[in-house]
Amino acid sequence: AQKVTQAQTEISVVEKEDVTLDCVYETRDTTYYLFWYKQPPSGELVFLIRRNSFDEQNEISGRYSWNFQKSTSSFNFTITASQVVDSAVYFCALSGILNTDKLIFGTGTRLQVFP
Amino acid sequence: ETGVTQTPRHLVMGMTNKKSLKCEQHLGHNAMYWYKQSAKKPLELMFVYNFKEQTENNSVPSRFSPECPNSSHLFLHLHTLQPEDSALYLCASSQGQGGNNQPQHFGDGTRLSIL
Repeated sequence: AQKVTQAQTEISVVEKEDVTLDCVYETRDTTYYLFWYKQPPSGELVFLIRRNSFDEQNEISGRYSWNFQKSTSSFNFTITASQVVDSAVYFCALSGILNTDKLIFGTGTRLQVFP
Repeated sequence: ETGVTQTPRHLVMGMTNKKSLKCEQHLGHNAMYWYKQSAKKPLELMFVYNFKEQTENNSVPSRFSPECPNSSHLFLHLHTLQPEDSALYLCASSQGQGGNNQPQHFGDGTRLSIL
């Protein structure tokens, strides 16, 4: 079975702090994809990143960085120097190679960044 | 401006009403999805359409009836809903099956309230 766990329900930080959102996944597939989405108050889920299970290189995009570790089945997301506009619910998701249309989502982490 | 447009943004209806949710994508994708997002629960995949053909029905009650007249439009017809059906309904689209798990692009959602 596939499962995504985001243990942090809610995180509050003050602007300019760094924050890491945790994501742990379970799958028996040897090939799979991991995703992060951001859901601002408007409701739309915004795609942030997709990572193939064969690519364990960490990725940095501006203030965002992702740490993929197969050994611990984790795909953590760090925001550096957080800003108020980063306030949103962040979802980690997983899909396998056989069911490419099925995204398994975690329950999300609500991030509040205070000025 | 999102490439996936959902209407209406908000809908309040009684349990005996019939209404429809509409989704339109302008991204040239061939797969479309309906998700249900309830408080404190992971996003639940409801239906998947690939090239207008339904490829997934995730044990959704028959009071929800999807329709996909073409690759750009997706409807969710609602009839005799229950209070527990109140949720945010999200539409998404993607390039579809192909083994490379392309990211899904989401609309803003329809906030549905059942009285």
